[in-house]
Amino acid sequence: KQEVTQIPAALSVPEGENLVLNCSFTDSAIYNLQWFRQDPGKGLTSLLLIQSSQREQTSGRLNASLDKSSGRSTLYIAASQPGDSATYLCAVRRGTGGFKTIFGAGTRLFVKA
Amino acid sequence: NAGVTQTPKFRVLKTGQSMTLLCAQDMNHEYMYWYRQDPGMGLRLIHYSVGEGTTAKGEVPDGYNVSRLKKQNFLLGLESAAPSQTSVYFCASSYHYLQGSTEAFFGQGTRLTVV
Repeated sequence: KQEVTQIPAALSVPEGENLVLNCSFTDSAIYNLQWFRQDPGKGLTSLLLIQSSQREQTSGRLNASLDKSSGRSTLYIAASQPGDSATYLCAVRRGTGGFKTIFGAGTRLFVKA
Repeated sequence: NAGVTQTPKFRVLKTGQSMTLLCAQDMNHEYMYWYRQDPGMGLRLIHYSVGEGTTAKGEVPDGYNVSRLKKQNFLLGLESAAPSQTSVYFCASSYHYLQGSTEAFFGQGTRLTVV
């Protein structure tokens, strides 16, 4: 059974700092991995999608990496801003069995001005 | 661009009442999913569908039923609501992996409170 773990559960950093959010998964037979952002009381916004054959994806100040063999992904946020404050969710998609997406519990990020 | 639309956005139910949550997508996606999100937890899969007329159980299916009579709609039913079903419900959809991008798109959520 696929399990997804995100560390840390919460993180507080000063504005301008570079930071890394971690995601680990137990079953390396994934189809893709997706990072989402969720603001309080809101839905999910997709940030980056990494296919299983890819090693990383970049969008602006965000960079996500994937190491399937070790069951790990990281989301790197450069030059953090108060507007980055949100919960970040990692989700892995199975390649079989209905193509289900399994989520981690998320990392709550607070960027202090 | 509507994407994935959930109705209603908020609802308060009394214990024992029934209701149906509607999810509609206009992207011609084959796969659709219902999740629930509880405080401090990630999203957990309730039921899913890999195509019109098909449904399957996810991680936490008890107390819920679903139907996918039309490709664009996925309904989630609560037959007899319980306080433990107080949660935020999210619907998602995606293409079949052979159709192209497998990115999952999510609705804005339905906040359900059972008293």
